[in-house]
Amino acid sequence: SQQGEEDPQALSIQEGENATMNCSYKTSINNLQWYRQNSGRGLVHLILIRSNEREKHSGRLRVTLDTSKKSSSLLITASRAADTASYFCATDEAAGNKLTFGGGTRVLVKP
Amino acid sequence: GAVVSQHPSWVICKSGTSVKIECRSLDFQATTMFWYRQFPKQSLMLMATSNEGSKATYEQGVEKDKFLINHASLTLSTLTVTSAHPEDSSFYICSADPSGIYEQYFGPGTRLTVT
Repeated sequence: SQQGEEDPQALSIQEGENATMNCSYKTSINNLQWYRQNSGRGLVHLILIRSNEREKHSGRLRVTLDTSKKSSSLLITASRAADTASYFCATDEAAGNKLTFGGGTRVLVKP
Repeated sequence: GAVVSQHPSWVICKSGTSVKIECRSLDFQATTMFWYRQFPKQSLMLMATSNEGSKATYEQGVEKDKFLINHASLTLSTLTVTSAHPEDSSFYICSADPSGIYEQYFGPGTRLTVT
């Protein structure tokens, strides 16, 4: 089974609204990363949060990490139609730097 | 910086033939590259870790004789799908790790269709 599980699997919002998605994982990690993938394209790295960090911001993105609950959230504020994509969390297990991806959240931002 | 390219971006081949996919790090060296497979509407599944100058490490359930990986230089890894079958049709994505940094850089992917 995958290390990360994401919730919700799909999200549909209006432009301007905020989008929140969650990721849970099972084992100890070094880092947790969030990626975006537009349909049929490669992955774009959004943000990396280390295991000793609790919150990180990058532009309209806010990521939290709760290692006690083994969970992370990604918040996209003031969403835009261009934010329509699939978003994946990926964990870097403490034993190495292999990434294990969550199932992804498909976000649709309607103009 | 930190650009990873893949070639080809898409390929159609007949069942039973072999297909080679290249992954290049354009502006950095990568001792480690990773190969993933992604089926439609699913997540990325790690297939193997490719290490320059040594044998690749395959994930459980991935046939090493079917998916041949060669990491001949610090900027190039190749994945060859041998005797391809329709069930091998998928989106193959590579990533490169510029050693010492835990941020992997991903290629744009290669869509393989086996007819």
